Amino acid sequence: NAGVTQTPKFRVLKTGQSMTLLCAQDMNHEYMYWYRQDPGMGLRLIHYSVGEGTTAKGEVPDGYNVSRLKKQNFLLGLESAAPSQTSVYFCASRQGAGDTQYFGPGTRLTVL
Amino acid sequence: EDKVVQSPLSLVVHEGDTVTLNCSYEVTNFRSLLWYKQEKKAPTFLFMLTSSGIEKKSGRLSSILDKKELFSILNITATQTGDSAIYLCAVGRKTSYDKVIFGPGTSLSVIP
Repeated sequence: NAGVTQTPKFRVLKTGQSMTLLCAQDMNHEYMYWYRQDPGMGLRLIHYSVGEGTTAKGEVPDGYNVSRLKKQNFLLGLESAAPSQTSVYFCASRQGAGDTQYFGPGTRLTVL
Repeated sequence: EDKVVQSPLSLVVHEGDTVTLNCSYEVTNFRSLLWYKQEKKAPTFLFMLTSSGIEKKSGRLSSILDKKELFSILNITATQTGDSAIYLCAVGRKTSYDKVIFGPGTSLSVIP
């Protein structure tokens, strides 16, 4: 099992460019999450999904969109990147019951 | 507003020392408290606590929850340089199976 994987691992964008981050999990988990992590702020939830075809807003959703067309994949999109979106992005998944989340290795995004 | 607070935010100790990390919370409909360790990349799960007064132990790490006083501690005895990491506390809620709230983390550095 690969667990939770994320692509790409690093990316540099210019202000106004767009990109999509891909998260994939092979554990058949129902719930998937996108977080961003900034120094001193812990993990903040951007968007999440409770099942295939569903998405919902988290704590800091502005400037991001997501899609969950397949159960194993959760995509995070930035339509027009801003420097404030420079961060490390983590994807996580979990089973329907219980709270233990399994995290991907992260994507470090820099917006110039 | 639900929140999770951790203290200290950063800590430097010498190998062999014992450390105590603190996590307090103000969360409606508390269900569980989780501890994660984050080294260079993804957070990895350490403990999940749901009942007061029952210590969970794994090697040199242990944790306990006090649901009356709304806090948890994570103890690390005989610290090693490999314990250097950010330790994240998170709280899950009964009414919201889809989200947990993360604290800001405690950055622990263990020096030889």
